[in-house]
Amino acid sequence: ETGVTQSPTHLIKTRGQQVTLRCSSQSGHNTVSWYQQALGQGPQFIFQYYREEENGRGNFPPRFSGLQFPNYSSELNVNALELDDSALYLCASSWVTSSNTGELFFGEGSRLTVL
Amino acid sequence: KNQVEQSPQSLIILEGKNCTLQCNYTVSPFSNLRWYKQDTGRGPVSLTIMTFSENTKSNGRYTATLDADTKQSSLHITASQLSDSASYICVVSAGTAGNKLTFGGGTRVLVKP
Repeated sequence: ETGVTQSPTHLIKTRGQQVTLRCSSQSGHNTVSWYQQALGQGPQFIFQYYREEENGRGNFPPRFSGLQFPNYSSELNVNALELDDSALYLCASSWVTSSNTGELFFGEGSRLTVL
Repeated sequence: KNQVEQSPQSLIILEGKNCTLQCNYTVSPFSNLRWYKQDTGRGPVSLTIMTFSENTKSNGRYTATLDADTKQSSLHITASQLSDSASYICVVSAGTAGNKLTFGGGTRVLVKP
């Protein structure tokens, strides 16, 4: 149990639709990051939020967007879904300071299937 | 370009046997190296985190080593159990921001009775 919860666990969408995935961070953590993991691959970094501001982004198009709320929960939004967006989406929270390693605590993921 | 290469891609071992997974990286600057275990369809769970000054760290039957000079790490699993069947992911960090993390593709381990 990492204390990070994601919802929904599974969902099916069709091409062109929009999806919102949610993440509740571990209590006390100030940073949340999102990853896309295709089947059989390692996670790919999408973006990170620190104190409600995006402070890092991977190689994903603008139709991938996010939010972090004052209670440090977070959302990942994907617009205009494409077939290749089918993947496991992982959220990870961490407590980041200038002196720690920022250990990541992952949720169980949301499995998105785009038809 | 920062890269993390893991080998083998997959392996099958018999219950009770030992195995070693490899991780080579070309990440700079180096902050720390992490090993995660990921059960199928689940989120990764941290096994070890090693900084530059640490060359070995254990977590139960899992022992990670780090050679920062050759930029290599290994994860040794002792006396494997069926529950060790999972993917093992090596992650090298150049800082604490998510975009400073480089993930390997993972090694899929299957432990057979």
